[in-house]
Amino acid sequence: LAKTTQPISMDSYEGQEVNITCSHNNIATNDYITWYQQFPSQGPRFIIQGYKTKVTNEVASLFIPADRKSSTLSLPRVSLSDTAVYYCLVGNILTGGGNKLTFGTGTQLKVEL
Amino acid sequence: NAGVTQTPKFQVLKTGQSMTLQCAQDMNHEYMSWYRQDPGMGLRLIHYSVGAGITDQGEVPNGYNVSRSTTEDFPLRLLSAAPSQTSVYFCASNPGRGSDEQFFGPGTRLTVL
Repeated sequence: LAKTTQPISMDSYEGQEVNITCSHNNIATNDYITWYQQFPSQGPRFIIQGYKTKVTNEVASLFIPADRKSSTLSLPRVSLSDTAVYYCLVGNILTGGGNKLTFGTGTQLKVEL
Repeated sequence: NAGVTQTPKFQVLKTGQSMTLQCAQDMNHEYMSWYRQDPGMGLRLIHYSVGAGITDQGEVPNGYNVSRSTTEDFPLRLLSAAPSQTSVYFCASNPGRGSDEQFFGPGTRLTVL
């Protein structure tokens, strides 16, 4: 399984755009990139998933460069409620790897007024 | 749909006791997993299942047993509880091959004295 590296923590203010970058240098051809969000005392929640280029949903955008060795989760105009831990995961969903992923320690995002 | 449910929410055990953490999902998901999360850490995979009757070990399986007799249920058994097993336990389900979106339960907070 590809190992990921992301910053331990980030601070931001309400209304700002936040970009969290994840490094996955040994990503395999069939690996997808998935991001989860976790609030205290809750299980993680799926945010977004992508394979290459850009993916956008109602919550976030995911930017993946052509070499796929990194990815950036972009949260537009964050609010206090976006304070959480964000996990970047890499795995091969096509062969059933979707439930064997390694979460790592994630990035603690703190949003202030 | 109730999603993924876990019982109990809290449990205190004495060293050497055994118990079963219950997990059930009503989404007809093929895959299910158990994770543990220690304070300030990411999630670590204990055991997972890709279908009824099929289970496999994750990253930290020692001291735990699982079985998957039905699609809906995936109980986790602690054979002889140890203080090192004090943690928050999360159960998750996943639709199966081709999906990386895991749905997590609310967690069980276990303390072993």
